[in-house]
Amino acid sequence: DAGVIQSPRHEVTEMGQEVTLRCKPISGHNSLFWYRQTMMRGLELLIYFNNNVPIDDSGMPEDRFSAKMPNASFSTLKIQPSEPRDSAVYFCASSLGDRGGFGQPQHFGDGTRLSIL
Amino acid sequence: SQKIEQNSEALNIQEGKTATLTCNYTNYSPAYLQWYRQDPGRGPVFLLLIRENEKEKRKERLKVTFDTTLKQSLFHITASQPADSATYLCVRRDNYGQNFVFGPGTRLSVLP
Repeated sequence: DAGVIQSPRHEVTEMGQEVTLRCKPISGHNSLFWYRQTMMRGLELLIYFNNNVPIDDSGMPEDRFSAKMPNASFSTLKIQPSEPRDSAVYFCASSLGDRGGFGQPQHFGDGTRLSIL
Repeated sequence: SQKIEQNSEALNIQEGKTATLTCNYTNYSPAYLQWYRQDPGRGPVFLLLIRENEKEKRKERLKVTFDTTLKQSLFHITASQPADSATYLCVRRDNYGQNFVFGPGTRLSVLP
């Protein structure tokens, strides 16, 4: 089975540019999560969706970040304008529905390594 | 806010020994704790889940415990192998998905 697919794997861009990260969740999963990982702060939840609806975006750092899930098989995380402090590895994960909170495992993609110069 | 601490940033042990990793949480007990493994350049991979009302769970060479009195979970790898070398992450989560927090991870190195 195909796992969670993220693209691109690496992105290097200049400060001020728009960055779009993409994620294809595992088919049949209806919860999708975006994370950011840095050495200083570890793995942080940015936002998660359930049935394509954003449920909790309290982790989104600021208005420069936005996420969409137009359908069950695709999500984007956009940063506009990008800044050097946004440099990190961004992960997408999916799981079976978890509104009840009963611990469904999350399946992670291999991340996008983003460098903002 | 809820926090997760993992006992050490790095742990070195000899092959064949049991590795024990610690996860401590603050405030009230989460509904459950999950443990993940992360290899360099890869996303985390789910290993085990333990619920608040469970004392212990096992899966092959892995064992996890949950002590609500100590506010702690222990993760054990018995008969450790060099292939077990990775970073191990503890995650807390409450019912209805709130307070979903990852610990900083412990980097385990199993020496041959």
